[in-house]
Amino acid sequence: DAGVIQSPRHEVTEMGQEVTLRCKPISGHDYLFWYRQTMMRGLELLIYFNNNVPIDDSGMPEDRFSAKMPNASFSTLKIQPSEPRDSAVYFCASSLISPGETQYFGPGTRLLVL
Amino acid sequence: KQEVTQIPAALSVPEGENLVLNCSFTDSAIYNLQWFRQDPGKGLTSLLLIQSSQREQTSGRLNASLDKSSGRSTLYIAASQPGDSATYLCAVVTGANSKLTFGKGITLSVRP
Repeated sequence: DAGVIQSPRHEVTEMGQEVTLRCKPISGHDYLFWYRQTMMRGLELLIYFNNNVPIDDSGMPEDRFSAKMPNASFSTLKIQPSEPRDSAVYFCASSLISPGETQYFGPGTRLLVL
Repeated sequence: KQEVTQIPAALSVPEGENLVLNCSFTDSAIYNLQWFRQDPGKGLTSLLLIQSSQREQTSGRLNASLDKSSGRSTLYIAASQPGDSATYLCAVVTGANSKLTFGKGITLSVRP
């Protein structure tokens, strides 16, 4: 298996633009997670899905952020409109059995909002 | 609310040294504790997972211990190598269907 795949790997955009991050989990994994990592706050869980259904979105910072999982092999995280404080590395991860078991992380998308 | 602390934030050691990385958590009612490694510009890689009923787990030169009652875990790295240079993150889970709560990590540099 190729592992968790994320695209793009790097994104530079201007404030106010829409940003869409993409993730393909490991095949057969029932859980998908979106994280954000910054120097100040560390790694924070934004939202996670179980069998394509959002379970916990309490970490989504505000209405500008939205996430979807239309099928078992694809998820998106969208920021609209983007702001400079959204600059961070965004990781997608997946796990097989439960959110408490081993999670497998993608390489991340490094986002810079100017 | 569970909080995970890793101190110090950075550590530099000479090659060959045995070292211990510390992790503390505030709520001792955990389901498991996990250690991850993160290389610069990369995602996280799972190293070890210790269930709440276990005291330690070993993988090669790595040994992780867990003391739930005191809210502490340690990651022991034997005979450190420059290739061990990375950031090591600790995460705890409070229930089977609960999410991971991460510490901010310890950035380790092993000098040749």
